[in-house]
Amino acid sequence: EAQVTQNPRYLITVTGKKLTVTCSQNMNHEYMSWYRQDPGLGLRQIYYSMNVEVTDKGDVPEGYKVSRKEKRNFPLILESPSPNQTSLYFCASRLATGGNSPLHFGNGTRLTVT
Amino acid sequence: QKEVEQNSGPLSVPEGAIASLNCTYSDRGSQSFFWYRQYSGKSPELIMSIYSNGDKEDGRFTAQLNKASQYVSLLIRDSQPSDSATYLCAVTRAGNNRLAFGKGNQVVVIP
Repeated sequence: EAQVTQNPRYLITVTGKKLTVTCSQNMNHEYMSWYRQDPGLGLRQIYYSMNVEVTDKGDVPEGYKVSRKEKRNFPLILESPSPNQTSLYFCASRLATGGNSPLHFGNGTRLTVT
Repeated sequence: QKEVEQNSGPLSVPEGAIASLNCTYSDRGSQSFFWYRQYSGKSPELIMSIYSNGDKEDGRFTAQLNKASQYVSLLIRDSQPSDSATYLCAVTRAGNNRLAFGKGNQVVVIP
């Protein structure tokens, strides 16, 4: 089954404790992206990657890191999480055919930073 | 002006009626337009994409695009309780890597 898999689904952590949210897709998509979704603010892009070893900032990259060492994986790293990073996070992927390809979303990761 | 703007406030419609959602965008160079449906606590799922002016129908859903007026709309005919969700409008430029989302419209279908 074609899918984007995120782990974990739920994560509660404390301020300053480094964490990684994993994302993997099995559709051979070149493009992958991370979004956060907050009430009243909608979906905002954190980082995206056009292909292996190619990453770029989205709208809200501060406090986050990403890497793209393999085509299928695009982990999101919070080196020192803070409470304002409490949010619902989505990984998504699509073919890199310009902007016409729709995004496929993972099931989301609900992160709480205390 | 916000990049992608959707009407605020939940939309309540009786079962069987037509739900109408509107979305305006600011970038005249926008080329691809999408409607996603998101159930509470779930991930967005694509329900419609439209790239040229006019109407596009898929089952009970119709997307309408008017590039001159910079709006895209979604009609849901014969609304069902299962259509109760938040609908996200998303817009991108051709060859652009960034998909801009509106904040969404909540639809509540009343049995």
